[in-house]
Amino acid sequence: RKEVEQDPGPFNVPEGATVAFNCTYSNSASQSFFWYRQDCRKEPKLLMSVYSSGNEDGRFTAQLNRASQYISLLIRDSKLSDSATYLCVVNGYNTDKLIFGTGTRLQVFP
Amino acid sequence: GAGVSQSPSNKVTEKGKDVELRCDPISGHTALYWYRQSLGQGLEFLIYFQGNSAPDKSGLPSDRFSAERTGGSVSTLTIQRTQQEDSAVYLCASSRRRQETQYFGPGTRLLVL
Repeated sequence: RKEVEQDPGPFNVPEGATVAFNCTYSNSASQSFFWYRQDCRKEPKLLMSVYSSGNEDGRFTAQLNRASQYISLLIRDSKLSDSATYLCVVNGYNTDKLIFGTGTRLQVFP
Repeated sequence: GAGVSQSPSNKVTEKGKDVELRCDPISGHTALYWYRQSLGQGLEFLIYFQGNSAPDKSGLPSDRFSAERTGGSVSTLTIQRTQQEDSAVYLCASSRRRQETQYFGPGTRLLVL
C-alpha cells in the first residue's frame, strides 16, 4: 500500500461548483498534514496546513479524519483559477520526511 | 524575504556528461529536500538533509546520483554519466524545521540528449 494515495482525477467541474478531494495515508502515527497546489509547469505551493480540528481559509476547507486515516479538501464556489493539481502531503512512516501524493487534477470550466 | 532559489533554471546536456544542480534554501531553514518530477508525474523524493544529521538518501535512484549540503545551507545535486531517463524537473525545497511546511524553488529543468 502506498503511504499516501490520491484519486488522480481529473475532476471536471463548472464554475461555482463545490468539489471535494480525499487523500488516504497509511501511517497512523502521522502528525503533519498539508495540501499543496501545483500549477502546470510550476513548483508546488502550500495551499493550507491541515489541523486536527479542521480549518478553513476562504473557500477552502481542510479536514482530518484520524480514525479512517484520511484528509480532505473542500473547495466551494469553484473559480477558473482553481484549475490545478492538488497534492496531499503527510509525514512518512518511521521518518521525518514528508511524503507527497501523486496529486488530484482539478479542471474548472466556464 | 528571499525564497528558495535554484540554478540553472534549464540545463541541456549530452548523455554521459555530469551535471551539477544548485539549491539555495531560505536562510535559517534546517531541512532541505530534493525531488524529481517527470512530465505529468508526481514528485519523486530523492534525498533529505536535516541539520547536522546524516542525510536520508533512500530516494536516490542509483549511485550516479549524489548530493551534499555545505555549511548547513547551499546544496548541490550531482548526476554523473547522465542518461536520457534522467530528464526531468529537479525541485528543491526547504523548511524551517523537520515536518514543517516546505517551500519549493522554481526547479531546474534537465534535458539529456
